[in-house]
Amino acid sequence: AQSVTQPDIHITVSEGASLELRCNYSYGATPYLFWYVQSPGQGLQLLLKYFSGDTLVQGIKGFEAEFKRSQSSFNLRKPSVHWSDAAEYFCAVGARNTGFQKLVFGTGTRLLVSP
Amino acid sequence: NAGVMQNPRHLVRRRGQEARLRCSPMKGHSHVYWYRQLPEEGLKFMVYLQKENIIDESGMPKERFSAEFPKEGPSILRIQQVVRGDSAAYFCASSVTPIFTTEAFFGQGTRLTVV
Repeated sequence: AQSVTQPDIHITVSEGASLELRCNYSYGATPYLFWYVQSPGQGLQLLLKYFSGDTLVQGIKGFEAEFKRSQSSFNLRKPSVHWSDAAEYFCAVGARNTGFQKLVFGTGTRLLVSP
Repeated sequence: NAGVMQNPRHLVRRRGQEARLRCSPMKGHSHVYWYRQLPEEGLKFMVYLQKENIIDESGMPKERFSAEFPKEGPSILRIQQVVRGDSAAYFCASSVTPIFTTEAFFGQGTRLTVV
């Protein structure tokens, strides 16, 4: 069965600094990988997804993520964080040829942005 | 086009009462998914419905929980005789098709508190 680990519960980053949120997954085949963001009081919004091809994926709001099969990782990065990026970030994995009912989510990383 | 609408946003119920959570999918979306987020955990799949049909309820507790998505109106997640352990955030998502080549859009969630 798939599983997702987000080892950092909280991360604090200064505004303008770079950001990397970690995500490790467990899955026997090539996974479908997602990053979602949840701002306070809002629903989950898709930031980016990886299905196949180029292992560096560009998303919305200046985010990118890199799929590293050898490390079973899909870390999210942003070169310069803005105060509006403060939110909770969820990594999720899905199985090829299945649907959204099979998404497995990590426990989330809460990002705090300091002035 | 309004997003996925869930109501109520917050719901307080006493032990033993019934909770009814509503989800109106995005216009044109006929696939609905319910996920539950317990405190300190990631979102976990509960049930997947199409209009008038339950497709996959493998994540839903066998007792007290039921879901429907009628031909007309919102999808309803019903929890009978609630217990403290049902306190959680319940998220609904909808999509045009169930597969990952499209996108699922999440609602803001309903926070259920059982007192």
